[in-house]
Amino acid sequence: TQLLEQSPQFLSIQEGENLTVYCNSSSVFSSLQWYRQEPGEGPVLLVTVVTGGEVKKLKRLTFQFGDARKDSSLHITAAQPGDTGLYLCAGAGEETSGSRLTFGEGTQLTVNP
Amino acid sequence: GAVVSQHPSWVICKSGTSVKIECRSLDFQATTMFWYRQFPKQSLMLMATSNEGSKATYEQGVEKDKFLINHASLTLSTLTVTSAHPEDSSFYICSPQHMGYTDTQYFGPGTRLTVL
Repeated sequence: TQLLEQSPQFLSIQEGENLTVYCNSSSVFSSLQWYRQEPGEGPVLLVTVVTGGEVKKLKRLTFQFGDARKDSSLHITAAQPGDTGLYLCAGAGEETSGSRLTFGEGTQLTVNP
Repeated sequence: GAVVSQHPSWVICKSGTSVKIECRSLDFQATTMFWYRQFPKQSLMLMATSNEGSKATYEQGVEKDKFLINHASLTLSTLTVTSAHPEDSSFYICSPQHMGYTDTQYFGPGTRLTVL
């Protein structure tokens, strides 16, 4: 069974601060996805990373996939209240690429104005 | 991104009744459909996986006779919660897998079920 440990589970910060969310596993993933979810809505895909060491940027969000494809991080610069939400990482297994996702526990981010 | 719809977006029902939730992939064909449930401020929990035209595969602890899944076409799957009870109250989310694009999954907007 593949597990993804996501941390922190809860994060409350002030507008303008930086933050990093981590996802770690002992398993190798063929790809890893980050989602953001708002209350009452489904998760919305932010990014997919597939290559070890890959770094992707989406405005103030920076995503990194570990060299060994076992871990990933999401860094937000100068957080804004609109960034508030539940952030989820999810990995696709190497043996069954894309057919099933393993989810982290989620990080509930609150950015206070 | 892919367009996925769910209907209804929310439903309130009495204990003992059955509720059907529809999931449609509007702009692509989905050979595989994943159904998840999510409790408040928690992550998604996979309930079952279905392939078009085949019986669904249920995760451990999920009763197949209680959560009936039908995936009769490449654009439509339904989840029926039979004889619903208050403990079935949850947020149900579908995720169709785009044929040929298996590295990315898109999710429906979810259905909030409240059983009184």
